[in-house]
Amino acid sequence: GDSVTQMEGPVTLSEEAFLTINCTYTATGYPSLFWYVQYPGEGLQLLLKATKADDKGSNKGFEATYRKETTSFHLEKGSVQVSDSAVYFCALSKGSSGGSNYKLTFGKGTLLTVNP
Amino acid sequence: DTAVSQTPKYLVTQMGNDKSIKCEQNLGHDTMYWYKQDSKKFLKIMFSYNNKELIINETVPNRFSPKSPDKAHLNLHINSLELGDSAVYFCASSQFGTGGSGNTIYFGEGSWLTVV
Repeated sequence: GDSVTQMEGPVTLSEEAFLTINCTYTATGYPSLFWYVQYPGEGLQLLLKATKADDKGSNKGFEATYRKETTSFHLEKGSVQVSDSAVYFCALSKGSSGGSNYKLTFGKGTLLTVNP
Repeated sequence: DTAVSQTPKYLVTQMGNDKSIKCEQNLGHDTMYWYKQDSKKFLKIMFSYNNKELIINETVPNRFSPKSPDKAHLNLHINSLELGDSAVYFCASSQFGTGGSGNTIYFGEGSWLTVV
C-alpha cells in the first residue's frame, strides 16, 4: 500500500540555521504531496503542496520539490525562527480512478525545536 | 470565521461511556473526514463521506459510528469507550472535483479525548 517515510526527530536547531526534513514516499500512480504543520496544542495546517513531478511548493520561506525519480519531497528552509517550532507532517493524497475517495496518508511527523 | 469547527475541544470521560464529537464546515465542501492521532502523533484516516455517502471506512471498531446529516456536518459517535480510544480526533473537509488528489484537505483544531 501507499506509505510515507519521514526522517525521525526530534530535530533541534538554533535560530537562523538551515532546515531539511527528509520525506520519501511509496505509491503507485501519481499522488499529490503535502507538508502539514502542527503547532503545539493546535490542529493541522497546510504548509505547502505539489501536485505533479518537478512542481515546487513554497510558503512562509519553506520549500519542497516533488521529485518523482527519487520519490522524495524534502522540506527545506534557509533560516528557521523560534516560531517555526512545531511538528511537521509529510503526506500524500491519492484516490481510486474515477472515485472520490481521496485521503491523506501521513508520515509519522518530525518534531522541530528552534532555540534562540 | 472558523472553516472546520469541532466540539468539544477537550473531553474526559470514563470507560464504558458513550460520547459524540460534532463537526461542521462552512467551506461549502462536499467531502468530510475523521482522522485519529495517537499518543505518538501518528495520524490515520478513519472515515470519509462524500455528499453524505460513506466512501472510506478504514479498519475501525464498530463502536465508532460516523453520521452525516448533511454535507456540512459529520459527527462521530463512540460507544462503550475504552482506554485505547484516548487520542486526538481531527475532522477535516475538502472539495472533490477536477483537482483530484491535489485538492487541499482542511483540518479542524482537534478534539482531545481522554478515557479514564
